[in-house]
Amino acid sequence: DTAVSQTPKYLVTQMGNDKSIKCEQNLGHDTMYWYKQDSKKFLKIMFSYNNKELIINETVPNRFSPKSPDKAHLNLHINSLELGDSAVYFCASSFNTGGRGEKLFFGSGTQLSVL
Amino acid sequence: TQLLEQSPQFLSIQEGENLTVYCNSSSVFSSLQWYRQEPGEGPVLLVTVVTGGEVKKLKRLTFQFGDARKDSSLHITAAQPGDTGLYLCAGTPNTGGFKTIFGAGTRLFVKA
Repeated sequence: DTAVSQTPKYLVTQMGNDKSIKCEQNLGHDTMYWYKQDSKKFLKIMFSYNNKELIINETVPNRFSPKSPDKAHLNLHINSLELGDSAVYFCASSFNTGGRGEKLFFGSGTQLSVL
Repeated sequence: TQLLEQSPQFLSIQEGENLTVYCNSSSVFSSLQWYRQEPGEGPVLLVTVVTGGEVKKLKRLTFQFGDARKDSSLHITAAQPGDTGLYLCAGTPNTGGFKTIFGAGTRLFVKA
């Protein structure tokens, strides 16, 4: 039973295409995230949703649009893909620890390659 | 901007050696976490430290949170090849909220 699952694992596409990455968590968490990990392994937060509401949007281009149909799902749609979008995208979820630090549970990542 | 700086960026050691990885910031964090990431996988949480000066042990791993809650360290005793991986520190800023930021990571390679 995978706690946070994202698909696809690998995504190879041409510049200008539109693509989506799906994420689902079965942990009952109320907060979900998208992180981007670049070639130097630096993890940067992109978006966060809490109870289906967008709470963090870290100056990500408008071409990236997250959608949360319910608390267990957070999808990421990317329009007009660019070379610089190539990276590993991680979905994560967490539960509210009441100020004692968010404990993130990550999916296994989607490696996006834009050619 | 609240940044977490990790050092060293890369560490290659022999099996049985001890090592320490550092995570520093000029900002105060309500908590710091340490994650370990293996190739092709997402980061996995190892520990969370919350109280200034707190020390937590996980088998051969010892984690410490600085008294001022601006820094943390990870010490591994008698490293084994299975410890090889990318170690990431992460922090929840003192302002609260749901934003966890990550350091750039320390890539550890333990040779048999």
